[in-house]
Amino acid sequence: AQSVAQPEDQVNVAEGNPLTVKCTYSVSGNPYLFWYVQYPNRGLQFLLKYITGDNLVKGSYGFEAEFNKSQTSFHLKKPSALVSDSALYFCAVRDDFRGASHNNDMRFGAGTRLTVKP
Amino acid sequence: DSGVTQTPKHLITATGQRVTLRCSPRSGDLSVYWYQQSLDQGLQFLIQYYNGEERAKGNILERFSAQQFPDLHSELNLSSLELGDSALYFCASRSESSYNSPLHFGNGTRLTVT
Repeated sequence: AQSVAQPEDQVNVAEGNPLTVKCTYSVSGNPYLFWYVQYPNRGLQFLLKYITGDNLVKGSYGFEAEFNKSQTSFHLKKPSALVSDSALYFCAVRDDFRGASHNNDMRFGAGTRLTVKP
Repeated sequence: DSGVTQTPKHLITATGQRVTLRCSPRSGDLSVYWYQQSLDQGLQFLIQYYNGEERAKGNILERFSAQQFPDLHSELNLSSLELGDSALYFCASRSESSYNSPLHFGNGTRLTVT
């Protein structure tokens, strides 16, 4: 079954510095990877998704993500963090393996709380 | 605005009671997903419906049930409520046009069981 891990519960960066939020995944077939952001009292908002063949994916609000097949990772990055980027970030994975009893639902990581300090 | 509508925004009820949460998906989306978000469990997948039929089931308790109606709105029914059921419940919808189309989430229903 597919799974995703976000090894850091919390990431703290200073405004203007680059940020990275880590994500690793495990799938049986090909990975379909996503990043979402959640602001307080709101639902998850889609940021970006992996597109086959593009190892660097650009998304909303200046975020990008780097896909690394050999390391099974899909880290979220931003060159210059803003205080307004402070939020909870979720990585999610779905795979296309269609075996018997295989559930293709999207699995979410536990989330990483990003705090950007002025 | 994601286009997914959830009502009510807040619910406060007592243990042992039953509540119904409602979700209207984005226009054109046939799939509806329900997730539970609690502080210690993260985002847990409960159940998915596609065009009125149950498609996938996750960590959904037997006390919980859901359905999707012909107009594609969905309801999540929670019964015999316990204190531990207090959480945010999210609905999401998705276009099935491609395998990597993202989920679109509503703003959730915050359930407090006292």
